Amino acid sequence: NAGVTQTPKFQVLKTGQSMTLQCAQDMNHEYMSWYRQDPGMGLRLIHYSVGAGITDQGEVPNGYNVSRSTTEDFPLRLLSAAPSQTSVYFCASRPGGTSGSADTQYFGPGTRLTVL
Amino acid sequence: AQSVAQPEDQVNVAEGNPLTVKCTYSVSGNPYLFWYVQYPNRGLQFLLKYITGDNLVKGSYGFEAEFNKSQTSFHLKKPSALVSDSALYFCAVRDDTGGFKTIFGAGTRLFVKA
Repeated sequence: NAGVTQTPKFQVLKTGQSMTLQCAQDMNHEYMSWYRQDPGMGLRLIHYSVGAGITDQGEVPNGYNVSRSTTEDFPLRLLSAAPSQTSVYFCASRPGGTSGSADTQYFGPGTRLTVL
Repeated sequence: AQSVAQPEDQVNVAEGNPLTVKCTYSVSGNPYLFWYVQYPNRGLQFLLKYITGDNLVKGSYGFEAEFNKSQTSFHLKKPSALVSDSALYFCAVRDDTGGFKTIFGAGTRLFVKA
């Protein structure tokens, strides 16, 4: 299993540009999430999905969109990039179901995004 | 509301000495508690978790954590630190009411000196 994969690893954007961060998992996990990591702030949840076709907002959703057309893929779209979105972005997945609360999350390697 | 506090931005220890990385939490129901480690330019890796049962949980790489319900703490410990343990450590909490969200602490950087 490849686990959770993310592309690209690095990206530089100009203010106002749009782009999509890709995330895929091959573990048949129901739950997938996007986090951003900023110094001194830990990981903050952007959007999450509890299954194909179902998404919801996390703590910091503004400026981002997501969709979940398949179990495997969960892309994150930046609509109009701003310098405040400079961050490291992590995708994560975990099993769902009635015991899902106890499950460990598996993280991708991250995408380092700089917005100029 | 759920919250996690890691009161130390950085912990410095000498190789071979015991280490402790502190974590306190707040949840509505019973907590599910996790520790993750992040090495430079890498994603987070799972170390250990507390779900129920014994208050002392053993995890990867010789780490362990002690759950203390009365103090709402879940401190990470290791009896003898290695230089290779130097990394960023995150404590995280989820409640047992079926909620989705995992709340992460701000992280503690561990520096082990040879």
